[in-house]
Amino acid sequence: LAKTTQPISMDSYEGQEVNITCSHNNIATNDYITWYQQFPSQGPRFIIQGYKTKVTNEVASLFIPADRKSSTLSLPRVSLSDTAVYYCLVGDGFQKLVFGTGTRLLVSP
Amino acid sequence: DSGVTQTPKHLITATGQRVTLRCSPRSGDLSVYWYQQSLDQGLQFLIQYYNGEERAKGNILERFSAQQFPDLHSELNLSSLELGDSALYFCASSVASGGAFYEQYFGPGTRLTVT
Repeated sequence: LAKTTQPISMDSYEGQEVNITCSHNNIATNDYITWYQQFPSQGPRFIIQGYKTKVTNEVASLFIPADRKSSTLSLPRVSLSDTAVYYCLVGDGFQKLVFGTGTRLLVSP
Repeated sequence: DSGVTQTPKHLITATGQRVTLRCSPRSGDLSVYWYQQSLDQGLQFLIQYYNGEERAKGNILERFSAQQFPDLHSELNLSSLELGDSALYFCASSVASGGAFYEQYFGPGTRLTVT
């Protein structure tokens, strides 16, 4: 079962690019990497998922190096509404789900 | 709106009591997941059902139990409640089994307060 490590918190300003890295040294061959966003008192929301290299959608990019032992969620030009907790989830879908403690991102004006 | 509904939204009860939390998954989703989130803590996976069958078990206490019914809605039963059970309980659903691969859609949660 892949264990993930993320920074506890990060601070940024509006308009900046934010990169949040997740370490998953014992990732297995069949594991995918998924990121979720959670606002206070709300359920998490899917952001992006990838297996290797780079994935981009309308809200974020996910960079995964060749060894897949880490991944970086990139949020371009953050706004105040991006203040939330971001979770990295690693697995192949057939294991117990471990979300970890997440990264609390605070965006200031 | 994720399409996942949870009732009740809030629940206040006393220690030693028993409560039932209900979840209706998104239309077409066969998997249901239950999570517990205590104040300022991460998500703790409790249990997963797929099409009525238990598929994975996390850190679920023996005092807690769950089931998924033929219409695919699920219930989480919490008994002999303790103060430490106070938390947000989330239900999520996905189209198939495998919450680390298939996108999970989370409900709004049930906030349980044990006094």
